[in-house]
Amino acid sequence: AQSVTQLDSQVPVFEEAPVELRCNYSSSVSVYLFWYVQYPNQGLQLLLKYLSGSTLVESINGFEAEFNKSQTSFHLRKPSVHISDTAEYFCAVYLGGSYIPTFGRGTSLIVHP
Amino acid sequence: DAMVIQNPRYQVTQFGKPVTLSCSQTLNHNVMYWYQQKSSQAPKLLFHYYDKDFNNEADTPDNFQSRRPNTSFCFLDIRSPGLGDAAMYLCATSSGGPDSYEQYFGPGTRLTVT
Repeated sequence: AQSVTQLDSQVPVFEEAPVELRCNYSSSVSVYLFWYVQYPNQGLQLLLKYLSGSTLVESINGFEAEFNKSQTSFHLRKPSVHISDTAEYFCAVYLGGSYIPTFGRGTSLIVHP
Repeated sequence: DAMVIQNPRYQVTQFGKPVTLSCSQTLNHNVMYWYQQKSSQAPKLLFHYYDKDFNNEADTPDNFQSRRPNTSFCFLDIRSPGLGDAAMYLCATSSGGPDSYEQYFGPGTRLTVT
C-alpha cells in the first residue's frame, strides 16, 4: 500500500522569502507524483507533476519540485513567495497504472506581508 | 473552456432531508469522482465511475449514493443527511488513460446541515 506524508500542517512565511513544502511517500512500485493547490472555497488545481524524465519539474508561477527516488520525496519549493500564494497545498501519489490518487493531508501556506 | 461544473455552490439542507448535488463536465473524460472534504483535511474519496462502472470506497456510508446517467453528468445523493455530513463536496474528472493521471476538479459544493 502507498502512503503520502506531508509533515507540516502549516507553514507561515513572509512575502518574498523562500519556502519548501515537504512531501514523502512510501511505495514499493513506480509512482507518479503531483502537487495540487487549493485556494479558499475552490476546488483543487494541478500545480505540477512528475511522470518520468527530468526529476526537476516546474510550474508556470515559479514553483518547482524535485523527485528524489532514494529519499522517496517530492518537495515543493519557491524561491520568493507572494501574498497570492497563500493556499492549501496537497501532494498526491499515483501508483503506475492506477487512476486513483492518494492525497497527503495538506500543508497550509500562509504568506505574511 | 472545457471544465467541471458543480451546482449548487452552496446548499443548505435540514437534518434528515434528502439532498442531491450535481456535477457536469465538458472534458469528455471517462472517470468521474466524488470527494468529501472537511475543514483542513485532504479530500476523501467516496466513489468513482469509470464510464458506467461504479466503484464504491469500502468506508463510504450507505447514506451516500451516486448516479451517472451519461458521460457528462454525475450526481451525489445523500439520503438522510446528518450533522456530520456537513462538508465541501468536490467532483473531479480524469481521462483514466495511460500517462494522463491529472484530475480536474470542480469548484465544490459546500453543504450545510441544520
